Amino acid sequence: DQQVKQNSPSLSVQEGRISILNCDYTNSMFDYFLWYKKYPAEGPTFLISISSIKDKNEDGRFTVFLNKSAKHLSLHIVPSQPGDSAVYFCAASKKQGAQKLVFGQGTRLTINP
Amino acid sequence: NAGVTQTPKFQVLKTGQSMTLQCAQDMNHNSMYWYRQDPGMGLRLIYYSASEGTTDKGEVPNGYNVSRLNKREFSLRLESAAPSQTSVYFCASSEGAANYGYTFGSGTRLTVV
Repeated sequence: DQQVKQNSPSLSVQEGRISILNCDYTNSMFDYFLWYKKYPAEGPTFLISISSIKDKNEDGRFTVFLNKSAKHLSLHIVPSQPGDSAVYFCAASKKQGAQKLVFGQGTRLTINP
Repeated sequence: NAGVTQTPKFQVLKTGQSMTLQCAQDMNHNSMYWYRQDPGMGLRLIYYSASEGTTDKGEVPNGYNVSRLNKREFSLRLESAAPSQTSVYFCASSEGAANYGYTFGSGTRLTVV
């Protein structure tokens, strides 16, 4: 049972445009949501997070939006740059308990010049 | 700062062989994790250690064992490797609250033939 889903395996965006990556979750107990970025042959690196008490968090070119009623979050990258080409994973955790991260399947983002 | 160090980076095993994947972190983190990454499956938790002296099963623990040797080190052992264990393995550590984000190692690419 996939509790965190990224339904788009890949996304191609032109340089300078907005990239929007989507993520859905099924477990209403999740309290925190995170996005990770992964380059080939490297480990994932933390990008941005959002608490369930917020609906938006912004960090430079990256903004994460959370819609709790729809159990949906999205990552916006504006403007997209060639260095943003990577695989993006969304992840979720519960505040209580063991605080493990549950990851989605990942979306490969390609920024075209 | 080394962060999270995994060894080896690559390994080829024959079916039935055993091996131990090593992981060490130098950030004084309490919690450590082992994930595997497979195409289309994202990152799945194998085992984790919330603190020194404790270990617990994750989503896909079958065929694996772990040891939290001390606060710094968390090893993953395959007692009798199977082709289904061909994967990329990532070790991660965190402060203890998953919302702070994990720091990942660069991964071990394991092939079982």
